Amino acid sequence: IAGITQAPTSQILAAGRRMTLRCTQDMRHNAMYWYRQDLGLGLRLIHYSNTAGTTGKGEVPDGYSVSRANTDDFPLTLASAVPSQTSVYFCASSDGPGEADTQYFGPGTRLTVL
Amino acid sequence: GQNIDQPTEMTATEGAIVQINCTYQTSGFNGLFWYQQHAGEAPTFLSYNVLDGLEEKGRFSSFLSRSKGYSYLLLKELQMKDSASYLCAVREGDYKLSFGAGTTVTVRA
Repeated sequence: IAGITQAPTSQILAAGRRMTLRCTQDMRHNAMYWYRQDLGLGLRLIHYSNTAGTTGKGEVPDGYSVSRANTDDFPLTLASAVPSQTSVYFCASSDGPGEADTQYFGPGTRLTVL
Repeated sequence: GQNIDQPTEMTATEGAIVQINCTYQTSGFNGLFWYQQHAGEAPTFLSYNVLDGLEEKGRFSSFLSRSKGYSYLLLKELQMKDSASYLCAVREGDYKLSFGAGTTVTVRA
């Protein structure tokens, strides 16, 4: 079944640890995105990639890094996790650019940093 | 940057109509999207507007007025399964979306 997968589904992490959230899509979409979703704040863009080999910063990039070595994979790394990074993380992809360029979301990763 | 406002919560009765408003301020508008998100799940695409007017898709309709920075999502013939959060998102440029905080709609029998 085509779509986006994320791993892990959930994770509890000690502060200061390094963590990589994985995201893979099989729709051959050019663009991929990472969002965090916090209660009352909605979805906020962390990083994005318009095409393989390029990345850009979103609204809240500090403390996170990404890479886009190929079309399908877009991992998000927390180099040294802090409690404020406790959130639900969604990966998304889109064919982009274009008028009705719709973003499709993965199932999310629930991360707790203690 | 974006400033997107939508009500936090709305409650309606099964079979009724609910209208969710969204206002935005942007320096480079390039489309407005509505997403539905059930609790504990991923957002899913509902509708897209880039020109002024009404887009209808079954029980859901979305309206856009670019001059007023205003959109609404209309949900008709409400069903219990429509209980969810509805997210308004504005695209600035080719790719990036900015989301509102979402409106939680509760449908009561």
